[in-house]
Amino acid sequence: DAMVIQNPRYQVTQFGKPVTLSCSQTLNHNVMYWYQQKSSQAPKLLFHYYDKDFNNEADTPDNFQSRRPNTSFCFLDIRSPGLGDAAMYLCATSVGTGRQETQYFGPGTRLLVL
Amino acid sequence: QKEVEQDPGPLSVPEGAIVSLNCTYSNSAFQYFMWYRQYSRKGPELLMYTYSSGNKEDGRFTAQVDKSSKYISLFIRDSQPSDSATYLCAMSYHAGNMLTFGGGTRLMVKP
Repeated sequence: DAMVIQNPRYQVTQFGKPVTLSCSQTLNHNVMYWYQQKSSQAPKLLFHYYDKDFNNEADTPDNFQSRRPNTSFCFLDIRSPGLGDAAMYLCATSVGTGRQETQYFGPGTRLLVL
Repeated sequence: QKEVEQDPGPLSVPEGAIVSLNCTYSNSAFQYFMWYRQYSRKGPELLMYTYSSGNKEDGRFTAQVDKSSKYISLFIRDSQPSDSATYLCAMSYHAGNMLTFGGGTRLMVKP
């Protein structure tokens, strides 16, 4: 089945220790998104890629970076995780960014910062 | 003030009840409205997608949009324990598909 896959599902890191979360998709979609969702809050868009074009949200902290080496994979790098970065990180994809393009979400990676 | 407001719940109902979930929003530029269901520790799954005002029905689910009141609803008929999840409303502008989410309402359907 075509899908959005996130690994690992749970990630534990130490305060200040860099961590990378990964997302892959078999949908062959052009757009990939990273969201941060804290407990009982709305998902917050961090950035998205349209093909190789990177689009950063204005309020995304510099501590968060992303890489998309090819169509199928996208990575979220947190350079120096703080306690406030503990959250669920959701990857999503869509064919394009036109107004009727639905976003399809992966299962998420829950990050714990000790 | 948040752009999209949603009562966090939890909302607890008995099996078979009709459930009403709602969101209000402040920006009249939103044109597309979605409801996502999110099970615990899972990603959001698209349930319903509507454009502008009106109703849309899909099985036990009905989405309703009232743009004049900036108010959207999701109705679930004959609710089942498997409907227990967090329901997120989301909306986007006419120009693209960037989503603004509500904070989600947690629903519990008791057998």
